Amino acid sequence: NAGVTQTPKFRVLKTGQSMTLLCAQDMNHEYMYWYRQDPGMGLRLIHYSVGEGTTAKGEVPDGYNVSRLKKQNFLLGLESAAPSQTSVYFCATSRSSYNSPLHFGNGTRLTVT
Amino acid sequence: DAKTTQPNSMESNEEEPVHLPCNHSTISGTDYIHWYRQLPSQGPEYVIHGLTSNVNNRMASLAIAEDRKSSTLILHRATLRDAAVYYCILEDYGGSQGNLIFGKGTKLSVKP
Repeated sequence: NAGVTQTPKFRVLKTGQSMTLLCAQDMNHEYMYWYRQDPGMGLRLIHYSVGEGTTAKGEVPDGYNVSRLKKQNFLLGLESAAPSQTSVYFCATSRSSYNSPLHFGNGTRLTVT
Repeated sequence: DAKTTQPNSMESNEEEPVHLPCNHSTISGTDYIHWYRQLPSQGPEYVIHGLTSNVNNRMASLAIAEDRKSSTLILHRATLRDAAVYYCILEDYGGSQGNLIFGKGTKLSVKP
Protein backbone atom coordinates (compact mmCIF):
# COMPACT_ATOMS: atom_id res chain seq x y z
CA ASN A 1 0.00 0.00 0.00
CA ALA A 2 2.08 2.90 -1.31
CA GLY A 3 -0.45 5.71 -0.78
CA VAL A 4 0.47 8.63 -3.04
CA THR A 5 3.48 8.20 -5.30
CA GLN A 6 5.04 11.00 -7.34
CA THR A 7 7.48 10.53 -10.19
CA PRO A 8 10.07 11.75 -10.84
CA LYS A 9 11.54 12.88 -7.53
CA PHE A 10 13.93 15.37 -9.14
CA ARG A 11 14.19 16.98 -12.56
CA VAL A 12 16.19 19.73 -14.20
CA LEU A 13 14.76 21.36 -17.31
CA LYS A 14 15.94 24.05 -19.65
CA THR A 15 13.68 26.99 -20.41
CA GLY A 16 11.18 26.03 -23.07
CA GLN A 17 11.34 22.28 -22.51
CA SER A 18 8.27 20.29 -21.60
CA MET A 19 7.65 17.55 -19.08
CA THR A 20 4.92 15.65 -17.27
CA LEU A 21 4.76 14.92 -13.56
CA LEU A 22 2.88 11.80 -12.57
CA CYS A 23 0.87 11.27 -9.41
CA ALA A 24 -0.44 7.79 -8.69
CA GLN A 25 -2.64 6.76 -5.77
CA ASP A 26 -3.86 3.39 -4.55
CA MET A 27 -6.37 4.68 -1.99
CA ASN A 28 -9.33 4.86 -4.38
CA HIS A 29 -9.83 8.54 -3.58
CA GLU A 30 -12.02 10.65 -5.83
CA TYR A 31 -10.26 13.98 -5.29
CA MET A 32 -6.74 14.77 -6.41
CA TYR A 33 -4.75 18.01 -6.23
CA TRP A 34 -1.52 19.52 -7.48
CA TYR A 35 0.23 22.10 -5.28
CA ARG A 36 3.48 23.98 -5.63
CA GLN A 37 5.64 25.17 -2.76
CA ASP A 38 8.24 27.90 -3.07
CA PRO A 39 10.91 28.66 -0.43
CA GLY A 40 9.49 30.20 2.72
CA MET A 41 5.95 30.02 1.45
CA GLY A 42 2.95 27.84 1.97
CA LEU A 43 1.45 25.56 -0.63
CA ARG A 44 -0.53 27.01 -3.53
CA LEU A 45 -3.10 25.01 -5.45
CA ILE A 46 -2.42 24.68 -9.18
CA HIS A 47 -5.19 22.38 -10.43
CA TYR A 48 -7.45 19.79 -8.95
CA SER A 49 -9.82 17.00 -9.98
CA VAL A 50 -13.06 15.84 -8.39
CA GLY A 51 -13.13 12.55 -10.26
CA GLU A 52 -12.01 10.63 -13.30
CA GLY A 53 -12.26 12.73 -16.44
CA THR A 54 -12.64 16.04 -14.60
CA THR A 55 -10.19 18.86 -13.89
CA ALA A 56 -10.47 22.41 -12.58
CA LYS A 57 -8.22 25.41 -12.03
CA GLY A 58 -6.83 26.33 -8.66
CA GLU A 59 -5.10 29.47 -7.44
CA VAL A 60 -2.09 29.45 -9.82
CA PRO A 61 -3.00 27.46 -12.98
CA ASP A 62 -1.17 29.49 -15.65
CA GLY A 63 1.54 27.61 -17.49
CA TYR A 64 0.27 24.18 -16.40
CA ASN A 65 -2.15 21.61 -17.78
CA VAL A 66 -3.55 18.51 -16.14
CA SER A 67 -5.34 15.32 -17.06
CA ARG A 68 -7.19 12.64 -15.09
CA LEU A 69 -7.86 9.86 -17.59
CA LYS A 70 -7.81 7.19 -14.90
CA LYS A 71 -9.06 7.54 -11.35
CA GLN A 72 -5.74 6.55 -9.85
CA ASN A 73 -3.55 8.92 -11.88
CA PHE A 74 -3.32 12.70 -12.05
CA LEU A 75 -0.82 14.20 -14.48
CA LEU A 76 0.63 17.70 -14.37
CA GLY A 77 2.15 19.02 -17.58
CA LEU A 78 4.45 21.92 -18.30
CA GLU A 79 4.34 22.67 -22.03
CA SER A 80 7.08 25.30 -22.07
CA ALA A 81 8.95 25.49 -18.80
CA ALA A 82 10.01 28.86 -17.36
CA PRO A 83 12.43 29.64 -14.50
CA SER A 84 9.43 30.90 -12.48
CA GLN A 85 8.21 27.31 -12.40
CA THR A 86 11.21 26.20 -10.37
CA SER A 87 9.52 24.79 -7.30
CA VAL A 88 8.65 21.70 -5.33
CA TYR A 89 5.43 20.11 -6.58
CA PHE A 90 3.17 18.09 -4.32
CA CYS A 91 0.29 15.88 -5.24
CA ALA A 92 -2.47 15.17 -2.74
CA THR A 93 -5.64 13.10 -2.61
CA SER A 94 -8.75 13.07 -0.47
CA ARG A 95 -11.79 10.86 -0.14
CA SER A 96 -14.27 13.71 -0.43
CA SER A 97 -14.36 17.48 -0.69
CA TYR A 98 -15.27 18.24 2.93
CA ASN A 99 -14.24 16.91 6.32
CA SER A 100 -11.70 14.67 4.66
CA PRO A 101 -7.93 14.80 5.29
CA LEU A 102 -5.50 15.29 2.45
CA HIS A 103 -2.85 12.64 1.79
CA PHE A 104 0.32 13.98 0.20
CA GLY A 105 3.10 12.51 -1.85
CA ASN A 106 6.72 13.33 -1.10
CA GLY A 107 7.09 15.84 -3.87
CA THR A 108 8.95 16.48 -7.10
CA ARG A 109 11.75 19.03 -7.00
CA LEU A 110 11.89 20.81 -10.36
CA THR A 111 14.56 23.25 -11.43
CA VAL A 112 14.21 25.24 -14.65
CA THR A 113 17.41 26.89 -15.87
CA ASP B 1 -11.74 32.05 2.59
CA ALA B 2 -11.26 32.48 6.34
CA LYS B 3 -7.69 33.03 7.46
CA THR B 4 -5.58 31.85 10.35
CA THR B 5 -2.79 33.49 12.32
CA GLN B 6 0.08 31.48 13.79
CA PRO B 7 3.43 32.44 15.35
CA ASN B 8 6.29 32.14 12.90
CA SER B 9 8.35 29.91 15.17
CA MET B 10 8.37 28.17 18.52
CA GLU B 11 10.89 26.19 20.54
CA SER B 12 10.36 23.25 22.79
CA ASN B 13 12.42 20.86 24.86
CA GLU B 14 12.33 17.18 24.15
CA GLU B 15 9.82 15.18 26.21
CA GLU B 16 7.92 18.30 27.26
CA PRO B 17 4.41 19.21 26.07
CA VAL B 18 4.02 21.72 23.26
CA HIS B 19 1.06 24.01 22.73
CA LEU B 20 0.85 25.47 19.24
CA PRO B 21 -1.70 28.32 19.02
CA CYS B 22 -3.83 29.39 16.09
CA ASN B 23 -6.20 32.34 15.81
CA HIS B 24 -9.09 32.27 13.37
CA SER B 25 -11.38 35.09 14.42
CA THR B 26 -13.42 35.08 11.18
CA ILE B 27 -14.25 31.38 11.28
CA SER B 28 -17.76 30.44 10.19
CA GLY B 29 -19.98 27.83 11.74
CA THR B 30 -19.26 25.15 9.14
CA ASP B 31 -15.48 25.59 8.92
CA TYR B 32 -13.45 22.62 10.06
CA ILE B 33 -10.10 23.33 11.74
CA HIS B 34 -7.31 21.21 10.29
CA TRP B 35 -3.71 20.78 11.39
CA TYR B 36 -0.97 19.45 9.16
CA ARG B 37 2.76 19.28 9.64
CA GLN B 38 5.63 19.17 7.20
CA LEU B 39 8.93 17.56 8.06
CA PRO B 40 12.01 18.66 6.14
CA SER B 41 12.05 17.44 2.53
CA GLN B 42 8.68 15.70 2.87
CA GLY B 43 5.11 16.38 1.89
CA PRO B 44 2.65 17.71 4.45
CA GLU B 45 1.22 15.13 6.83
CA TYR B 46 -2.27 15.22 8.31
CA VAL B 47 -2.25 15.58 12.10
CA ILE B 48 -5.80 16.19 13.31
CA HIS B 49 -8.99 18.09 12.59
CA GLY B 50 -12.18 19.09 14.37
CA LEU B 51 -15.29 21.24 14.21
CA THR B 52 -16.45 22.20 17.70
CA SER B 53 -15.39 19.61 20.25
CA ASN B 54 -11.87 18.84 21.39
CA VAL B 55 -10.32 15.93 19.50
CA ASN B 56 -7.64 13.40 20.39
CA ASN B 57 -5.73 10.93 18.29
CA ARG B 58 -2.47 9.03 18.54
CA MET B 59 -0.45 11.99 17.28
CA ALA B 60 -1.91 14.97 19.13
CA SER B 61 -4.86 16.70 20.74
CA LEU B 62 -6.82 19.63 19.37
CA ALA B 63 -8.36 22.06 21.82
CA ILE B 64 -10.96 24.38 20.31
CA ALA B 65 -12.08 27.52 22.13
CA GLU B 66 -15.74 27.74 23.00
CA ASP B 67 -16.25 30.66 20.59
CA ARG B 68 -14.15 28.80 17.96
CA LYS B 69 -12.06 31.89 17.30
CA SER B 70 -8.90 30.09 18.33
CA SER B 71 -7.53 26.60 18.71
CA THR B 72 -4.43 24.91 20.10
CA LEU B 73 -2.59 21.86 18.86
CA ILE B 74 -1.11 19.93 21.75
CA LEU B 75 1.80 17.55 21.40
CA HIS B 76 1.90 15.77 24.72
CA ARG B 77 5.58 14.83 24.72
CA ALA B 78 7.70 16.43 22.02
CA THR B 79 10.34 14.31 20.35
CA LEU B 80 13.09 15.36 17.96
CA ARG B 81 11.00 13.88 15.18
CA ASP B 82 8.26 16.44 15.89
CA ALA B 83 10.49 19.27 14.61
CA ALA B 84 8.52 20.49 11.61
CA VAL B 85 6.39 23.30 10.23
CA TYR B 86 2.85 23.08 11.59
CA TYR B 87 -0.03 24.48 9.58
CA CYS B 88 -3.40 25.48 10.99
CA ILE B 89 -5.98 25.60 8.22
CA LEU B 90 -9.68 26.29 7.96
CA GLU B 91 -11.73 24.13 5.62
CA ASP B 92 -14.57 26.14 4.18
CA TYR B 93 -17.71 24.13 3.54
CA GLY B 94 -18.90 25.03 0.07
CA GLY B 95 -15.49 26.36 -0.82
CA SER B 96 -13.48 25.34 -3.84
CA GLN B 97 -13.80 21.59 -3.64
CA GLY B 98 -11.83 20.90 -0.52
CA ASN B 99 -8.95 23.21 -1.27
CA LEU B 100 -7.11 23.87 1.96
CA ILE B 101 -5.18 27.14 2.00
CA PHE B 102 -1.76 26.57 3.53
CA GLY B 103 -0.18 29.67 5.07
CA LYS B 104 3.40 29.87 6.33
CA GLY B 105 2.73 27.90 9.50
CA THR B 106 4.74 27.68 12.71
CA LYS B 107 8.23 26.25 12.59
CA LEU B 108 8.70 24.12 15.68
CA SER B 109 12.22 23.42 16.91
CA VAL B 110 12.78 20.69 19.51
CA LYS B 111 15.88 20.82 21.66
CA PRO B 112 17.39 17.65 23.15
